[in-house]
Amino acid sequence: AQTVTQSQPEMSVQEAETVTLSCTYDTSESDYYLFWYKQPPSRQMILVIRQEAYKQQNATENRFSVNFQKAAKSFSLKISDSQLGDAAMYFCAYRNGDAYNTDKLIFGTGTRLQVFP
Amino acid sequence: GAVVSQHPSRVICKSGTSVKIECRSLDFQATTMFWYRQFPKKSLMLMATSNEGSKATYEQGVEKDKFLINHASLTLSTLTVTSAHPEDSSFYICSARRGPGYEQYFGPGTRLTVT
Repeated sequence: AQTVTQSQPEMSVQEAETVTLSCTYDTSESDYYLFWYKQPPSRQMILVIRQEAYKQQNATENRFSVNFQKAAKSFSLKISDSQLGDAAMYFCAYRNGDAYNTDKLIFGTGTRLQVFP
Repeated sequence: GAVVSQHPSRVICKSGTSVKIECRSLDFQATTMFWYRQFPKKSLMLMATSNEGSKATYEQGVEKDKFLINHASLTLSTLTVTSAHPEDSSFYICSARRGPGYEQYFGPGTRLTVT
């Protein structure tokens, strides 16, 4: 069975600085997707970034980028130029690529990010 | 973007009663909807996967007779918590996707409190 591990329950960063959130996963599949979701105090889940396992290039979305290390099964999220609005719970998630088999999301336990002015 | 709504956003019910939570995809047709439960400061736990027109698939440990799921149309799925108990108090989140391999879009969640 696939698992997702986030070893940092809480992180903090100064506004305008950079922070990296860690995520590791375990799977025997070769085709899969990885995601970072943000859950602000409103509790609405927001997709931050996604990475296809078959792509070697790391995904980027404006200030958000990932470091995808497939061999190490590591998928960290880097937030550059942190803003107060980035404060939230961040969840790493995994999904199999075989959509016709089972494509449910498997979530990590989350990292609470605090941003200080 | 795709929008998913949930109703109600908050509900309080008494022990022993049933409560229904609706999940709607507002601007797309969702062949599959997922129901999650989230305890305070915890991760999302998948309860069941609901495919339009067929029976829901429940995760291990989730009582299907207690958490009734209906996905009668391509835009609506309902979760009914039957004979609610205080331990059913939680935050329930749904998500919806167009089809296999498509992204899941999340609803804003429903906070259930059972007194």
